[in-house]
Amino acid sequence: GENVEQHPSTLSVQEGDSAVIKCTYSDSASNYFPWYKQELGKRPQLIIDIRSNVGEKKDQRIAVTLNKTAKHFSLHITETQPEDSAVYFCAASNPKDTGRRALTFGSGTRLQVQP
Amino acid sequence: DAGVTQSPTHLIKTRGQHVTLRCSPISGHKSVSWYQQVLGQGPQFIFQYYEKEERGRGNFPDRFSARQFPNYSSELNVNALLLGDSALYLCASSLGWVPEETQYFGPGTRLLVL
Repeated sequence: GENVEQHPSTLSVQEGDSAVIKCTYSDSASNYFPWYKQELGKRPQLIIDIRSNVGEKKDQRIAVTLNKTAKHFSLHITETQPEDSAVYFCAASNPKDTGRRALTFGSGTRLQVQP
Repeated sequence: DAGVTQSPTHLIKTRGQHVTLRCSPISGHKSVSWYQQVLGQGPQFIFQYYEKEERGRGNFPDRFSARQFPNYSSELNVNALLLGDSALYLCASSLGWVPEETQYFGPGTRLLVL
């Protein structure tokens, strides 16, 4: 089955700096890669996703890049703000895996933005 | 517009007991998935249901079972609770049953097994 590894586990940046979180996946057939933000005690919320027919997607200060050859994808947050502080999870899914039509999540990155 | 709702929010059980967790999807969504999130880890897939049928199952023992009702709400049942079942149980809903569709998570049920 799919395996997703996420790095780093913790990341501390100064307000205004950029933050980059990286994930690798094992199943070359995976074609959907969402990123979720989870604030303390709250539900995971989708912040951006990318499908394998594109290499990069941007939404204001957030961007995701995908390298299918290397089987890795990254989340980029520019001009970080204190409210970006949260745990971020990457995920991957292979729609052809009929036994497990679901998201496989990474272990999470705790991002702390220092004011 | 109501999001995904789950009940109860918190639950304390003892080893060997049984628990039932409930989830109501976003109106119009026909798929419900269940995930277990142990403290400090990412969510792990347990089940997916679509149109009242099981469409996917993760690597969890048979003590875990689920069902979906005609109104698309869902229940997750766990029998013979173990200490290791302590976790946040998340329900996610989506329009259909392919994983490329955005999954919207509920607030979760925090289960503590003593």
